[in-house]
Amino acid sequence: GAVVSQHPSWVICKSGTSVKIECRSLDFQATTMFWYRQFPKQSLMLMATSNEGSKATYEQGVEKDKFLINHASLTLSTLTVTSAHPEDSSFYICSARGERGYGYTFGSGTRLTVV
Amino acid sequence: TQLLEQSPQFLSIQEGENLTVYCNSSSVFSSLQWYRQEPGEGPVLLVTVVTGGEVKKLKRLTFQFGDARKDSSLHITAAQPGDTGLYLCAGAHSGNTPLVFGKGTRLSVIA
Repeated sequence: GAVVSQHPSWVICKSGTSVKIECRSLDFQATTMFWYRQFPKQSLMLMATSNEGSKATYEQGVEKDKFLINHASLTLSTLTVTSAHPEDSSFYICSARGERGYGYTFGSGTRLTVV
Repeated sequence: TQLLEQSPQFLSIQEGENLTVYCNSSSVFSSLQWYRQEPGEGPVLLVTVVTGGEVKKLKRLTFQFGDARKDSSLHITAAQPGDTGLYLCAGAHSGNTPLVFGKGTRLSVIA
């Protein structure tokens, strides 16, 4: 079946630094990638949608200059949290959707802790 | 805007009991998916229902999609401690639109 590899699985960074999270589709072409954020004991909240080769579309309240999304190829999308602050600490999850017939495949998530 | 209302949000039951989780919306979905998520991991797909009135069974789990494709339910028979986790329903519209998630149901099954 379709697999999305997400790295790193966890990261701790200092306040003010940037962190990059990668999601790779291993056996299909991810034409669309969705990025979610999940706070403890809450559901997944959509941050942005990106289509390969296009600029990402951000949900209301999500700062596009802070959460940089790149989807330059059909197998790789990245989310960079710039100038991270403790309030950015969360669980970030990507979900890829490919050609017709493929559903939504989720990565395993990245636990970001900003200290 | 939360388009999918999922209930209950928390459920603690004894091993062997039955339970039902509900997902309701005023929107029509082309499909509805149920996921289970363990702490620190991504959601794992349990089932996708696409046809109004459809019923799918996965061992002790029974999933139903409403006739109007606006609501769904998950019924677990004879719950076991291994069923403990966060259950999420998510609706999909046509095209490459994102899934709309419910708030989740945190299930705890006590031995």
